[in-house]
Amino acid sequence: ELKVEQNPLFLSMQEGKNYTIYCNYSTTSDRLYWYRQDPGKSLESLFVLLSNGAVKQEGRLMASLDTKARLSTLHITAAVHDLSATYFCLYSGGSNYKLTFGKGTLLTVNP
Amino acid sequence: DVKVTQSSRYLVKRTGEKVFLECVQDMDHENMFWYRQDPGLGLRLIYFSYDVKMKEKGDIPEGYSVSREKKERFSLILESASTNQTSMYLCAGSGSNQPQHFGDGTRLSIL
Repeated sequence: ELKVEQNPLFLSMQEGKNYTIYCNYSTTSDRLYWYRQDPGKSLESLFVLLSNGAVKQEGRLMASLDTKARLSTLHITAAVHDLSATYFCLYSGGSNYKLTFGKGTLLTVNP
Repeated sequence: DVKVTQSSRYLVKRTGEKVFLECVQDMDHENMFWYRQDPGLGLRLIYFSYDVKMKEKGDIPEGYSVSREKKERFSLILESASTNQTSMYLCAGSGSNQPQHFGDGTRLSIL
């Protein structure tokens, strides 16, 4: 059975600090996506990771994919308050192209 | 700019009613998806479609059906609404190997 485990589920950090969100999955993946959701809003696409070793960066966020370890990470550098949101990873792959979201990480960046 | 439009932001229906949630995309994309989002459970895939008149069950299809008569429109149908179908429903569309673009969501309450 496919499992997509995202952790931590809750993350409270101070501005200026670095942290990493992890997304582990249990079967071979074709691709991995990261999304952001603000309260009461829909999901916004952040990154698309299509191959082993893929690394994408946008501002203070950097995402990577290690298909051998079945792990994707979302690294936050020098956090700012505007990054406060819920972040989701989305697994896509497997023999029948399963699509499964992680449970999400609620990130709160405190001044 | 990419647009996925859901017909209602808020909807209140009664138990036993047949409920239609409509979703339209202007991207000319083959793929469309319906999710529900619940606190503590994250986003779960209900149904998806890779082409007109084609549909595939997701993880939680019970109590739902879908219709895709035209490429741009993907409808979610609750045949006989029940209170446990009270939720936020999100529609998404995507091209091949592309991130999903989400609509604003429909918050559905079943009384």
